[in-house]
This record gives sequence, C-alpha cells and structure tokens, in this order.
Amino acid sequence: SQTIHQWPATLVQPVGSPLSLECTVEGTSNPNLYWYRQAAGRGLQLLFYSVGIGQISSEVPQNLSASRPQDRQFILSSKKLLLSDSGFYLCAQISVGSTDTQYFGPGTRLTVL
Amino acid sequence: QKEVEQNSGPLSVPEGAIASLNCTYSDRGSQSFFWYRQYSGKSPELIMSIYSNGDKEDGRFTAQLNKASQYVSLLIRDSQPSDSATYLCAVSGGSYIPTFGRGTSLIVHP
Repeated sequence: SQTIHQWPATLVQPVGSPLSLECTVEGTSNPNLYWYRQAAGRGLQLLFYSVGIGQISSEVPQNLSASRPQDRQFILSSKKLLLSDSGFYLCAQISVGSTDTQYFGPGTRLTVL
Repeated sequence: QKEVEQNSGPLSVPEGAIASLNCTYSDRGSQSFFWYRQYSGKSPELIMSIYSNGDKEDGRFTAQLNKASQYVSLLIRDSQPSDSATYLCAVSGGSYIPTFGRGTSLIVHP
C-alpha cells in the first residue's frame, strides 16, 4: 500500500522568508500528486497538481510554486511568504489505473508571523 | 464550476444514535464519490467510497448514492464520541481532480 511522507510537520516562519515543503510517496509509481491548503476553519483549496515529472498545473495564482523533480517527489515553494500563506498544507496522491481514490499525507502546519 | 455542498453543522447527536450526513453535487457526469473523516489538526482519512446507485455498508458506516437526485449521504450507526470529527464529501468525474465540500462537523455527546 502507498505511504505519503511530508516534512516538516510544523513550521513557523517570518513574513518575507522562503518556504520549501517536501512530499514523497512510497508504494506506487507514476502517481498523480496534489498540494492542498486548508486555512483555519475553511475547506480544502487545491493549489497544484502534477500528472508526471516536470508537469505542474496551478489552480490558484499566488506567490507559491511547485516542482516535481522525481516521480514520487513533490515540492511546494515560495520565495517570500505572506501572512495569508498560513495554513495546513496537505500532499495527496491518486494511483492512476486503479480507482481514482485520493489519499492524503499527514500534513504540514505552517504559521507565518 | 463544479460544486459540492454540505451543511457545515455542527450536527450534534447523542451517543448510540444514527448520524446522517448529506452532500449534494452539481456535476451530473460525476462517477466516484468519497467520504473522508478529518479529526481536528489531522489530515483527511478515507472512510467510504461509492460508485453506483444504492447503499454500500462497511461496519457502522453506510454510504448512499442517488445519481438522479445528485445526492450522496453517509449514515453512522451507533455513533460514538470518537466519531466526533469533520466529514468531507468528495466527488470525482474521472479527471483525477476531486471536488471537495467544505465539510460537516459532527459532535457525538455522551
């Protein structure tokens, strides 16, 4: 079965600092990978998704970017964090070819001060 | 714009009762339907998936799908305090980009 790892688990960063969140997947190959953000008391917001290495689709224009340097690695980055970037960041994957069930990683809680 | 609607709640039920959570969706082409449970501060955990009209049972959970009415529900029998969480409904049309509802908060009180 597939396992999703995310790190760090928690992060406190000052406004204007850079960001790098990493997600890796085990137990599957060529997964679709997703980054979501969940702000306090709000729903899931899809930020980026990727169907393969180097292929990134952005759902919401903002100061975040994503990269997929390897098949099972998905990175979320920012050059300068804003207060509004605070939230719970979730990496998710779908193993294409079976069912389209989406599984989530444990998440990273980011607080921007 | 694909939409998934859920009552935000909170839905409060006594321990041992049946909790009924509802979800409607706008895209008639939707093919797959999921219920996730999310405890406070944790990531969503898949608890049920359903793909055809009717009922699907798994332990204390029953998912019900009515594609004609564009309606999917989750019943939790013999509700326990440990079932207190936010329940997210997700709908997929085969594009591998699920649409999520905002979730319903369930409180099971002893």
